[in-house]
Amino acid sequence: QVQLKESGPGLVQPSRTLSLTCTVSGFSLTSYGVSWVRQPPGKGLEWIAAIWSGGSTDYNSALKSRLSISRDTSKSQVLLKINSLQTEDTAMYFCARSRPYYWYFDFWGPGTMVTVSS
Amino acid sequence: DVQMTQSPYNLAASPGESVSINCKASKSISKYLAWYQQKPGKANKLLIYDGSTLQSGIPSRFSGSGSGTDFTLTIRSLEPEDFGLYYCQQHNEYPWTFGGGTKLELK
Repeated sequence: QVQLKESGPGLVQPSRTLSLTCTVSGFSLTSYGVSWVRQPPGKGLEWIAAIWSGGSTDYNSALKSRLSISRDTSKSQVLLKINSLQTEDTAMYFCARSRPYYWYFDFWGPGTMVTVSS
Repeated sequence: DVQMTQSPYNLAASPGESVSINCKASKSISKYLAWYQQKPGKANKLLIYDGSTLQSGIPSRFSGSGSGTDFTLTIRSLEPEDFGLYYCQQHNEYPWTFGGGTKLELK
């Protein structure tokens, strides 16, 4: 069955770079897109980046200068890096799947919490 | 960016009742709206996409309506497992944006 699972460091210091991994199973990254969506504590959801089945990428323009999304198809993993971390980046980070040419998310991972603090 | 506004912020209801949650877009998004359910410790669940298409496996008591800027999620005959947070998301144009959420609580 389709599964996505996020992993990350939990706690990161301000100004550092955050690296998150989304490991997927039950589908191929060359057939589906995967996005990262985040949710600060007690707040709503924010789409931040996507990598599509062909390998192209899209970023939320509000964060674009600090983001990098990539994938390793041999490991079925999607990687997200956010540099110059700020306390406002504290959030639950989710990865989620999109069908080709559809821009909603049909499967989600459980999320990984990232706290930015010194 | 398209701003999505949900109402109400909180909603209290009893099992068996029917409820509606509204979502308003700051500009027309045609039919391209999705609804999700969020519950603690569980993956977010897609309920509806394209405004009114029920995702596979979702009970028929969930329904979506609307187009343009105004959309509604209706849940008929609430079951205990329906209580939680609900979010709308426009999937018409980049960047994809979400509403602020509606908390459906047990009365």
